Amino acid sequence: DQQVKQNSPSLSVQEGRISILNCDYTNSMFDYFLWYKKYPAEGPTFLISISSIKDKNEDGRFTVFLNKSAKHLSLHIVPSQPGDSAVYFCAASYQGTYKYIFGTGTRLKVLA
Amino acid sequence: ETGVTQSPTHLIKTRGQQVTLRCSSQSGHNTVSWYQQALGQGPQFIFQYYREEENGRGNFPPRFSGLQFPNYSSELNVNALELDDSALYLCASRPGGTGGPNTEAFFGQGTRLTVV
Repeated sequence: DQQVKQNSPSLSVQEGRISILNCDYTNSMFDYFLWYKKYPAEGPTFLISISSIKDKNEDGRFTVFLNKSAKHLSLHIVPSQPGDSAVYFCAASYQGTYKYIFGTGTRLKVLA
Repeated sequence: ETGVTQSPTHLIKTRGQQVTLRCSSQSGHNTVSWYQQALGQGPQFIFQYYREEENGRGNFPPRFSGLQFPNYSSELNVNALELDDSALYLCASRPGGTGGPNTEAFFGQGTRLTVV
């Protein structure tokens, strides 16, 4: 039962352009969503999060959008840089729980 | 302030053996979670410890067990290793327990376990 889905296993984007990574979820109880970035041989690094009371959260080049009615969130990276090349994981949880449910990840490649 | 550190970084074990993986949580963080990441998959929650007590468990058999110590460091023990236990094991820490608002967790670099 895959409650958090990242349907695009990979994405290639030209340097300077926008990268859009997508994530869908099925559990309407989720109220907190996060994006993590992972380089090879490293642990996931927290990038940005959003609570379900918001529909947008920005941090520098990174913006996360949440569409609760569609159970969909997306991460926008503008402008994309070669150093952004990594695997991006979407994760979700809900109040009072102790675990994140992760998607399977999207490998982003930013071409110079 | 040090981040989350895990040891060892790599490990090879034989089927049927037992293994212990270690994690030092980030300073000030009293909640530690363990995740298993198989190849091509996202991390899967194993269990969480808060103030030395297990307070949440994922869909893993009892041969996966853990401990948390008074300094908030933690161990993951796996008995009777199977080939499918080969994976990256990640430790994550965060402040607070489960009663407060959600917060982000900070991950260590992981331990790559290979069972042969």
